[in-house]
Amino acid sequence: QSALTQPPSASGSPGQAVTISCTGIRSDVGGYTYVSWYQQHPGKAPKLILYEASKRPSGVPDRFSGSKSGSTASLTVSGLRAEDEADYYCSSSVGLYNYVFGTGTKVTVL
Amino acid sequence: QMQLVQSGAEVKKPGASVKVSCKAPEYISTTNFMHWVRQAPGQGLEWMGIINPSNGDTSYAQKFQGRVTVTRDTSTRTFYMELSSLISEDTAVYYCARDTGTIYAGKDWSLDLWGRGTLVIVSS
Repeated sequence: QSALTQPPSASGSPGQAVTISCTGIRSDVGGYTYVSWYQQHPGKAPKLILYEASKRPSGVPDRFSGSKSGSTASLTVSGLRAEDEADYYCSSSVGLYNYVFGTGTKVTVL
Repeated sequence: QMQLVQSGAEVKKPGASVKVSCKAPEYISTTNFMHWVRQAPGQGLEWMGIINPSNGDTSYAQKFQGRVTVTRDTSTRTFYMELSSLISEDTAVYYCARDTGTIYAGKDWSLDLWGRGTLVIVSS
């Protein structure tokens, strides 16, 4: 199972929005709603910020939003803040028994 | 803050095995599926496998088939990941992470609670 494809980097100024894509295939992103996004700061464990493509866990700001179309999912971070500078990973179920992460995107707040 | 408690760092020689533990404190339900994920230095996240805490059924990433074993001890609320035939490329931080799905409703494939990670260094 190959990793989902994400751009290596993205950036934006404070207050702006940045969108990260996550491209898979029909057997993963394209076939299931189980797409999640994680935020990871250096030296820390990942944190779930979106699940089922667009749902936010309790406590995650509504500046984080997501969508999915076909085999591509997207994460948008609006109103960028300094603390949003982190690595972001998408993920997807692959059938009933497997899981795959994206390649990761480093977001820089300029 | 709710957190899974993982065992400490390990240094292993090539060819050896390592067993990492992950304990769920009393205030964390053990009816959720549990995943293992690793991250090599400077690299991305890599899914290794998942276990059903009720019956012990497992599923592993093809890359690790035959080399990884995930188990659980329900009496101590502890999950284990054992990786054998270690090579230098297995040097990584290994995380356990809870699936939001339970044995009653099935896997949700979103990981909402993570351990702090266990660093495993493979070096001769």
